[in-house]
Amino acid sequence: DSGVTQTPKHLITATGQRVTLRCSPRSGDLSVYWYQQSLDQGLQFLIHYYNGEERAKGNILERFSAQQFPDLHSELNLSSLELGDSALYFCASSGRDSGNTIYFGEGSWLTVV
Amino acid sequence: AQSVAQPEDQVNVAEGNPLTVKCTYSVSGNPYLFWYVQYPNRGLQFLLKYITGDNLVKGSYGFEAEFNKSQTSFHLKKPSALVSDSALYFCAVRDMNNNAGNMLTFGGGTRLMVKP
Repeated sequence: DSGVTQTPKHLITATGQRVTLRCSPRSGDLSVYWYQQSLDQGLQFLIHYYNGEERAKGNILERFSAQQFPDLHSELNLSSLELGDSALYFCASSGRDSGNTIYFGEGSWLTVV
Repeated sequence: AQSVAQPEDQVNVAEGNPLTVKCTYSVSGNPYLFWYVQYPNRGLQFLLKYITGDNLVKGSYGFEAEFNKSQTSFHLKKPSALVSDSALYFCAVRDMNNNAGNMLTFGGGTRLMVKP
């Protein structure tokens, strides 16, 4: 168990809809990362937050947004969903005591139909 | 920019034999290197990392990896493979001099199949 918790584990939704994925980082970790894993594009970095502030953006679509709250949990919002957004979305966290290691949650499986 | 290459989509090995999963990287500065494993329908589990120091690093489940700066490689090894090692393995790199963020860049993954 990495200590990173993601909900929901699975969700199925229709095209055009909006979903929110939630992540609780390991206790004390200030950094939260979001990654997308799809069959055709592998593991893609989406965004990094540190203590509530955006630190880096990767290949994140404009239809997607994220935030990190004062209690350090994070949410990834996906809107106007398309079939191609179907993927496994990972949250990960790191902190001062992790020695540069980033720990991943179990992921949220999103299926867009 | 940083990048990782895992040249083999799949590695097949017999149980009890040594295994190697290859990884090469490219960063502008000094690298932090990582290996993760993903079992079916599971998340990414951290195996081991190289930050600095000894080029041979040991990790979980008997795995080890050797950092080779001249060849920009970080191959994953295990002396004796188990059927339970069958999984998807990812190599990842972070440029320690990258002040834009701490994100990892992953290779495409290598599927390890260990046959009895």
